[in-house]
Amino acid sequence: DQQVKQNSPSLSVQEGRISILNCDYTNSMFDYFLWYKKYPAEGPTFLISISSIKDKNEDGRFTVFLNKSAKHLSLHIVPSQPGDSAVYFCAASTGTASKLTFGTGTRLQVTL
Amino acid sequence: KAGVTQTPRYLIKTRGQQVTLSCSPISGHRSVSWYQQTPGQGLQFLFEYFSETQRNKGNFPGRFSGRQFSNSRSEMNVSTLELGDSALYLCASSLVGSYQETQYFGPGTRLLVL
Repeated sequence: DQQVKQNSPSLSVQEGRISILNCDYTNSMFDYFLWYKKYPAEGPTFLISISSIKDKNEDGRFTVFLNKSAKHLSLHIVPSQPGDSAVYFCAASTGTASKLTFGTGTRLQVTL
Repeated sequence: KAGVTQTPRYLIKTRGQQVTLSCSPISGHRSVSWYQQTPGQGLQFLFEYFSETQRNKGNFPGRFSGRQFSNSRSEMNVSTLELGDSALYLCASSLVGSYQETQYFGPGTRLLVL
C-alpha cells in the first residue's frame, strides 16, 4: 500500500522554465512533508519541508505547496537549472520524526 | 563536519548468506535510521535506533535486524539473504530524531544478491 505517490516517474524541463513535481498521499495522519533530492551515487539531500499548518513554504528558487483537502503537495523550481537534474522524492511524517514514508521518486532532467 | 558514512559501498552475496552493513552518523547525532531503496518502491523505512535502543520499526521480516553502539555507530544485518533483498540500503542520522528534525543521509550500500 503506497501511502505517498509520485505518479510521474520522469519530467523534462527546459533551463529557465518552471519545474513542477507532484506528490499525493492517502494517510490523513501525515502532518509534515519534505522533499529530498538525490544525485546518482549519493544519498538523498534534504531540500525543503512544510508543516500541515501551512499551505506554502518558500526557499529561494524552491517553493512547496500543500493542499490538505486534496492530499496533494507540489514542488516548484523557478527558474530550473541544469544542476537541478536529479531524482526528487517527497516524504511524509506523522510526527514520528524518524519514520519517513517516501514516494517512489520523479527523475527531473533540465535541458539546455 | 564529516557527513554520514556507510561501509561497504558495494557488496555481492549469494542467496542464503548473511550480510552486515555499517553506518557512522554525523558527529553528535544520536539517532540513526535505516531505509531500503528498490526500483518502483522508493525508500522504505526499516528501523531507527536511538541511544542503543530500537525506537521504531518498519514492516520488514525478522531477517532484518540492527543494533547501535555507544558511539552511535549502527549496523544492520540481513540473514538468509533472498534475491529480493537486492537494494540500496541507506542510513540517515539526526541529532535526536525528534519531530521535524532533518535527517541526513549517507551514500548508501548497494547490495546485490545472486
